[in-house]
Amino acid sequence: DADVTQTPRNRITKTGKRIMLECSQTKGHDRMYWYRQDPGLGLRLIYYSFDVKDINKGEISDGYSVSRQAQAKFSLSLESAIPNQTALYFCATSDLSPGQAFGPGTRLTVL
Amino acid sequence: KQEVTQIPAALSVPEGENLVLNCSFTDSAIYNLQWFRQDPGKGLTSLLLIQSSQREQTSGRLNASLDKSSGRSTLYIAASQPGDSATYLCAVNPIKAAGNKLTFGGGTRVLVKP
Repeated sequence: DADVTQTPRNRITKTGKRIMLECSQTKGHDRMYWYRQDPGLGLRLIYYSFDVKDINKGEISDGYSVSRQAQAKFSLSLESAIPNQTALYFCATSDLSPGQAFGPGTRLTVL
Repeated sequence: KQEVTQIPAALSVPEGENLVLNCSFTDSAIYNLQWFRQDPGKGLTSLLLIQSSQREQTSGRLNASLDKSSGRSTLYIAASQPGDSATYLCAVNPIKAAGNKLTFGGGTRVLVKP
C-alpha cells in the first residue's frame, strides 16, 4: 500500500459547493502539508501542520481550511468552491529530516 | 520572498542525448534543494536532495549540482531514454521558512523521443 494516500483522486463539482479532500499517511510523520499545482506554476503551499495541535497558513490559504484529525490524517476543505480553485492538489508528509513524501494528487474541477 | 525559476518550460530531445535542466532561485539562504520527477496522474518522486553545504549529488545516470552563491542548480541526465519523459521540478527549502517547507519552480516538461 502507498505511504501517502489521497481521496478522492478526481472530483468534479459546482461553484458554491463544499468539498473535502482527505489525506492519510502510514509513514508515522508528524508534519503534513497541502499544496496546489497549476500549470506552469509549480506547487504552492496552502496549509501545513507540524503536529495535531499545530496548524499554519501557507502561501495561498484564502478560501481553504484544514483539519488535522490525527497524526495520520490531514483534510483540506473548500467551504464554497469557485472555478479558480480548479487545480491538482497534493498532500505531503515529512519528519525532521529533509525531504517530503507526496501523495498521488487529487484533480479537482470546479464548474 | 524566495522565487524559483526553471527554464526551459519544455524540452524535447532524441533518445541517447544528455539532458540538462536548469533551476535558479533568488535567495541563497537555503537548507537544501531537491529535484523531483512528476509523471501524469502520479505524485512527485524525489530524485536527489542536495544539502546547502554540498556541491553535487549523484544517483545512477542523474547528477545534480548546486551553486548556492549564484542561486543555481542543474540536473544532468545522461544518455536519456524514453522512460525519462516526465516533468522535472526543483524545490528549495528556505532557511527563513520554518520547518521543511518547500518553494517550487514551475517545472520543465521533458520528452525523450525514441
